[in-house]
Amino acid sequence: DGGITQSPKYLFRKEGQNVTLSCEQNLNHDAMYWYRQDPGQGLRLIYYSQIVNDFQKGDIAEGYSVSREKKESFPLTVTSAQKNPTAFYLCASSQQGAHTEAFFGQGTRLTVV
Amino acid sequence: AQSVAQPEDQVNVAEGNPLTVKCTYSVSGNPYLFWYVQYPNRGLQFLLKYITGDNLVKGSYGFEAEFNKSQTSFHLKKPSALVSDSALYFCAVQHTGRRALTFGSGTRLQVQP
Repeated sequence: DGGITQSPKYLFRKEGQNVTLSCEQNLNHDAMYWYRQDPGQGLRLIYYSQIVNDFQKGDIAEGYSVSREKKESFPLTVTSAQKNPTAFYLCASSQQGAHTEAFFGQGTRLTVV
Repeated sequence: AQSVAQPEDQVNVAEGNPLTVKCTYSVSGNPYLFWYVQYPNRGLQFLLKYITGDNLVKGSYGFEAEFNKSQTSFHLKKPSALVSDSALYFCAVQHTGRRALTFGSGTRLQVQP
């Protein structure tokens, strides 16, 4: 089955720790995205990548970092600089070409303990 | 800057009745508009999109959306609601210069039996 796999589904982080969220896709999509979802605020774009070895900051990139070393993988690191990391994180991908819809993973719920 | 607004946090409708979930947009240039649905603790699923052409767009699960340029709206509709349609619905707009979507805050649809 083609799709996007995010892991883990639930993640707990202690104050001051960095954590990495995994996102893998086997759809052969060029573009990949990370969104953060908070109650009542919809989804906000953290980072996106349109091609391997290239990525751009989204609207709320502070305290996050990404890499795109392989086409199928786009891991997100939540650093200790992110002051309020508790949220639901969604990864997505889309095909090359204008106005193609994005496909989403099932999400990772990160909680700071 | 581009944006979408979903003026209703929640919409309640009885099963079998028609439903409408509202979305208005603000963009410079041509709007490229999308609707997604999210079930609890899951990722987003694509429903439909408007790129150009007919103002009435048909999508998955019997949903359709009406694009109205003069009112800058893209309301989601369904002629007969099902209890299983109960979920969180997001309207989104795609920027011509950035493939990533900008999302509204979401509308929770509750269909009562």
